[in-house]
Amino acid sequence: GAGVSQSPRYKVAKRGQDVALRCDPISGHVSLFWYQQALGQGPEFLTYFQNEAQLDKSGLPSDRFFAERPEGSVSTLKIQRTQKEDSAVYLCASSFVVRLRRDNEQFFGPGTRLTVL
Amino acid sequence: GNSVTQMEGPVTLSEEAFLTINCTYTATGYPSLFWYVQYPGEGLQLLLKATKADDKGSNKGFEATYRKETTSFHLEKGSVQVSDSAVYFCALSPLYNQGGKLIFGQGTELSVKP
Repeated sequence: GAGVSQSPRYKVAKRGQDVALRCDPISGHVSLFWYQQALGQGPEFLTYFQNEAQLDKSGLPSDRFFAERPEGSVSTLKIQRTQKEDSAVYLCASSFVVRLRRDNEQFFGPGTRLTVL
Repeated sequence: GNSVTQMEGPVTLSEEAFLTINCTYTATGYPSLFWYVQYPGEGLQLLLKATKADDKGSNKGFEATYRKETTSFHLEKGSVQVSDSAVYFCALSPLYNQGGKLIFGQGTELSVKP
């Protein structure tokens, strides 16, 4: 497909389990973003990659959250020792950056809904 | 810091009514401003954007004007359709920012009745 894909679409975890969420950006998109969206709220920025380099991780809520993009395409967001407050939809977005600009359109995936019991 | 505030929903309108969804922001300097829309069961999509003061973004009959004096970017449409039912998010990209991360408002749900 041509869009951003995420897997799994739904994940249920017991408190304390580790989870890994995958994002496949649009082919050729240099920039990749992760956002967390709590129920009834807007998305909140977690982290940003340009190719394989993680340039901004200021939004990661704790050291239990870790993201990687080793080959500059697919990205994985890992949450260790999940807690109930981690329950949210995790959104991935990508954009094609010709040069650093603040108006590049971000293309969003459908999200992964994480429920921690 | 940077933040976005939207009017609370849900907003319920009849078909062909006029729509305004208010959005105000707090930011340093001149951020870029966006409206994203999320239709039921779909991902977020860019609806329109504006990058400097007095710019007007428009798409699919929707418009929003970047007003620096009132720090606002209100979304308007002259005649809504049932198919416009969705959740609308106002967002900004800060001036001093790598890569264009977005800061979103809480979203406003719109329901249009036939």
